[in-house]
Amino acid sequence: DAKTTQPNSMESNEEEPVHLPCNHSTISGTDYIHWYRQLPSQGPEYVIHGLTSNVNNRMASLAIAEDRKSSTLILHRATLRDAAVYYCIVSGAGSYQLTFGKGTKLSVIP
Amino acid sequence: DTEVTQTPKHLVMGMTNKKSLKCEQHMGHRAMYWYKQKAKKPPELMFVYSYEKLSINESVPSRFSPECPNSSLLNLHLHALQPEDSALYLCASSQRHIAGGGANTGELFFGEGSRLTVL
Repeated sequence: DAKTTQPNSMESNEEEPVHLPCNHSTISGTDYIHWYRQLPSQGPEYVIHGLTSNVNNRMASLAIAEDRKSSTLILHRATLRDAAVYYCIVSGAGSYQLTFGKGTKLSVIP
Repeated sequence: DTEVTQTPKHLVMGMTNKKSLKCEQHMGHRAMYWYKQKAKKPPELMFVYSYEKLSINESVPSRFSPECPNSSLLNLHLHALQPEDSALYLCASSQRHIAGGGANTGELFFGEGSRLTVL
């Protein structure tokens, strides 16, 4: 699986948009990009995933660079409940097996 | 029902004890996973079961023994553990381990974990 690089931590004000970056320069053409988050004292939770096109769901948006070497998870209005560690994961086509990197710890300031 | 249920939530055991962690899902998923997570670290894959057969063992010591009695249940048997094995043990499930045709719906469902302390 391709390696990912994320900032260790980020801060956001409540009710403002948050852009969480992820670099995955060694991604191959059939690899998927996944985002999970882990709230304190809970198991990881699926956020969104994509292959080439930008994706939207009720939780977030995923913007994928044209060369696919980077992506950005967008939370449109951060709430206190969004404070978590966000993991960007790249996995091979068809594989549900995920290898977690260090992730970005997001703090949301009231 | 989109839940993965893990029991017990907390477990304290001595180094000579034998105990088990249990994981259950009723989503019809045919792949189940054990992850280990140390404090302030990302989850690390331990085992993958696919269609009730052990598919991947990430070089886990034999003092951890997984078992998949049926498609809904996954156990992790613990024996002669060391204090450094203290961690959060996470169970997860997915529709399959490897999706056919390269398609990937992307979602692993995780339980809340069993927090293990080895004295």
